[in-house]
Amino acid sequence: GIQVEQSPPDLILQEGANSTLRCNFSDSVNNLQWFHQNPWGQLINLFYIPSGTKQNGRLSATTVATERYSLLYISSSQTTDSGVYFCAVDDQAGTALIFGKGTTLSVSS
Amino acid sequence: EPEVTQTPSHQVTQMGQEVILRCVPISNHLYFYWYRQILGQKVEFLVSFYNNEISEKSEIFDDQFSVERPDGSNFTLKIRSTKLEDSAMYFCASGTTGYEQYFGPGTRLTVT
Repeated sequence: GIQVEQSPPDLILQEGANSTLRCNFSDSVNNLQWFHQNPWGQLINLFYIPSGTKQNGRLSATTVATERYSLLYISSSQTTDSGVYFCAVDDQAGTALIFGKGTTLSVSS
Repeated sequence: EPEVTQTPSHQVTQMGQEVILRCVPISNHLYFYWYRQILGQKVEFLVSFYNNEISEKSEIFDDQFSVERPDGSNFTLKIRSTKLEDSAMYFCASGTTGYEQYFGPGTRLTVT
């Protein structure tokens, strides 16, 4: 099945810093989503981005489908950005999402 | 903005008991999903449901699990006889097209 790899596994930042999270996937996809899991365990939809570029406030994402990777950019990070960021892609056989292991982001003031 | 809702937020049950986790998907959505996340691990797909039947399921979704859409608004996951290893966060999700999925806040299931 499709493989999803996220890097880095852990990231520690000072408030105000910028960061880039990467998601590599092993096959072509119809769906790619980025999520933020907050400290209460909730999964927050960030982007639906199987290709192209989107921006939402301080966050933006780019997926280069032909090269099988996606990037999530966080600018001017805040302590509330802390948590785990997951990338997920569809499994091609159907519509199930296959999640990566996530990047754990810690932002300190 | 419409949201997927799940109840209860936390359920504690004894090993061997049956549990039903409930979800109310977004009203015009047609595709429904259950996922689970064991503490500290990644999110895993369990089952998808479309047109009143299971469209896809993972190896995790064995005979102990079942799903149902009992009416026009609810979507349930039943675990017949819970085991300690069923302790996890269970997420419901829904979508219109089979692509973008909207996740609920999760139900934390603790089996003692």
